[in-house]
Amino acid sequence: EVQLVESGGGLVQPGGSLRLSCSASGFTFSSHWMHWVRQAPGKGLVWVSRISSDGTNTNYADFVKGRFTISRDNTKNTLNLQMNSLRAEDTAIYYCIRAVTFHVFDFWGQGTLVTVSS
Amino acid sequence: EILMTQSPVTLSVSPGDSATLSCRASQGIGFNLAWFQQKPGQAPRLLIYSTSTRATGIPARFSGSGSGTEFTLTISSLQSEDFAVYYCQQYNKWPSMYTFGQGTKLEIK
Repeated sequence: EVQLVESGGGLVQPGGSLRLSCSASGFTFSSHWMHWVRQAPGKGLVWVSRISSDGTNTNYADFVKGRFTISRDNTKNTLNLQMNSLRAEDTAIYYCIRAVTFHVFDFWGQGTLVTVSS
Repeated sequence: EILMTQSPVTLSVSPGDSATLSCRASQGIGFNLAWFQQKPGQAPRLLIYSTSTRATGIPARFSGSGSGTEFTLTISSLQSEDFAVYYCQQYNKWPSMYTFGQGTKLEIK
């Protein structure tokens, strides 16, 4: 059974940092591109970042570029999102997503809530 | 950036009837469109990709169609578990990112 379990969310002050992790199981993690998508409370879905299966290729939405860093450890089946210089508008549920054929978001974790507030 | 516009924002339909949800892209995206279903407190679930291919385990009452800029998700014989929010998403134009529509809430009439 495919499982993606996010962790690391919580309350952080503006300007602070947080590191999200996503533990994957039930599939060959190293064969899949992985993505992060976020959803502000009561709002829609917004793509944040992606990483290639071997971790050598990364891309970001403009609004997180330079502040967020995506990474992965294929030996531990773990996806990470390091978030720095957090802003109130970064408050959202962050979902870890497995992709097939690079772009199709076929399995989503349950998400972890990040709240940026003083 | 490619903008995705869904209509209507809210759709009220009776169980057993059919529902038609629309999604329009601001520029052509070929067939590179997906549909997701999201229920309250849950993560989105992939329903359809490549415009018309059902994801694993998705019932045949869900069907997708369209191409270019106009796309449709049709749900026939609505079941109680189908009432949710539906999002379309394009994944065609990189580096235009992956963009989602704002969602259509399908509610019980």
